[in-house]
Amino acid sequence: LAKTTQPISMDSYEGQEVNITCSHNNIATNDYITWYQQFPSQGPRFIIQGYKTKVTNEVASLFIPADRKSSTLSLPRVSLSDTAVYYCLVGDMDTGRRALTFGSGTRLQVQP
Amino acid sequence: SQTIHQWPATLVQPVGSPLSLECTVEGTSNPNLYWYRQAAGRGLQLLFYSVGIGQISSEVPQNLSASRPQDRQFILSSKKLLLSDSGFYLCAWNIQADNEKLFFGSGTQLSVL
Repeated sequence: LAKTTQPISMDSYEGQEVNITCSHNNIATNDYITWYQQFPSQGPRFIIQGYKTKVTNEVASLFIPADRKSSTLSLPRVSLSDTAVYYCLVGDMDTGRRALTFGSGTRLQVQP
Repeated sequence: SQTIHQWPATLVQPVGSPLSLECTVEGTSNPNLYWYRQAAGRGLQLLFYSVGIGQISSEVPQNLSASRPQDRQFILSSKKLLLSDSGFYLCAWNIQADNEKLFFGSGTQLSVL
């Protein structure tokens, strides 16, 4: 059973806002939701983390509804350099919180 | 500040040869350590994680093993590589109290021919 579900790919244009949603129906009470960005041939890079409601930092916002069964990463005014794969990550209920398993990720392509 | 070192960056090995990839973390104590593998164009597969010296948890049965001889050193090994072992190998760490926030190394691109 997949821990997280995301769209496989998304397309956008420079200057637009991009929202990527992740489903995590089995999220545990103590789990945080964390998003990563990965460029080709590089390790994923932490973007943002939240537990509930809304979190904002200098690069993104994270929206989490009250039931916490999904989350939405919002990237304001994307540029070509935001073309990457985005992963959401939650803790693993079945095997313990330290077994951090990523989903398939969302491949974002930003066009000029 | 904390840093993670992973080497080599690129490796080409023949089928049946041994493998040793090393990862070290600086600037923190008692981290959780992870090995992930990523096939071309695919997602991240968790291979091993460790919560302390000598403590290794294997996530997927395979031709690989891991060891943690020191607190901040994590080694991925194989006695005989298979073609299917090719991929991008990533080491990562986090602190016990901030479980989902991982910091990744730069990765090793392994090609088994």
